[in-house]
Amino acid sequence: NSKVIQTPRYLVKGQGQKAKMRCIPEKGHPVVFWYQQNKNNEFKFLINFQNQEVLQQIDMTEKRFSAECPSNSPCSLEIQSSEAGDSALYLCASSLQGKMETLYFGSGTRLTVL
Amino acid sequence: GDSVTQTEGLVTLTKGLPVMLNCTYQTTYSPFLFWYVQHLNEAPKLLLKSSTDNKRTEHQGFYATLHKSSSSFHLQKSSVQLSDSALYFCALSPGGYKVVFGSGTRLLVSP
Repeated sequence: NSKVIQTPRYLVKGQGQKAKMRCIPEKGHPVVFWYQQNKNNEFKFLINFQNQEVLQQIDMTEKRFSAECPSNSPCSLEIQSSEAGDSALYLCASSLQGKMETLYFGSGTRLTVL
Repeated sequence: GDSVTQTEGLVTLTKGLPVMLNCTYQTTYSPFLFWYVQHLNEAPKLLLKSSTDNKRTEHQGFYATLHKSSSSFHLQKSSVQLSDSALYFCALSPGGYKVVFGSGTRLLVSP
């Protein structure tokens, strides 16, 4: 069973609505990644954090997506104004520091934008 | 830039046969390669990983050898089982906290 907890499991929103999902990383893991997995099962990197600091993010994330990993609270990913193309499985993963570390994934939040 | 290529989108096999899923990569850094497996409605999880050239790594009957000369990290198993039906992703960590995934290969094993 995954030790990375993502909620909710399913999320349905109308176009233009906000969509927010949360992730509790595995205990002791300072690095958190968010990926978007589309209907073709392809992974698209969105953003990653080390503790509360953003390490890397893509342009899309900077514009309509916002994310944070506050101290002692779940990490979150929020889409400010959902679009149909945002419908996907959003996967959170955590890891220890370092290049060689395994990513531990949650089961994901499946977002459907109607 | 850094990239991972998985050439097969779908592989269908009968139980008991051998399988090889292809993975090649491009990077200018010292590569660290992973294979992740994702069963239906489950989280992706690590199958195996390696950064050592020409050394075979094994886990749960699957094995792979990183060949830096050919930039490859193919996944193999000598005899597939029904429970091996899943999505398999090859991933590259070229450096820092960057992890690049291939497009995935769906393996379907029939009785």
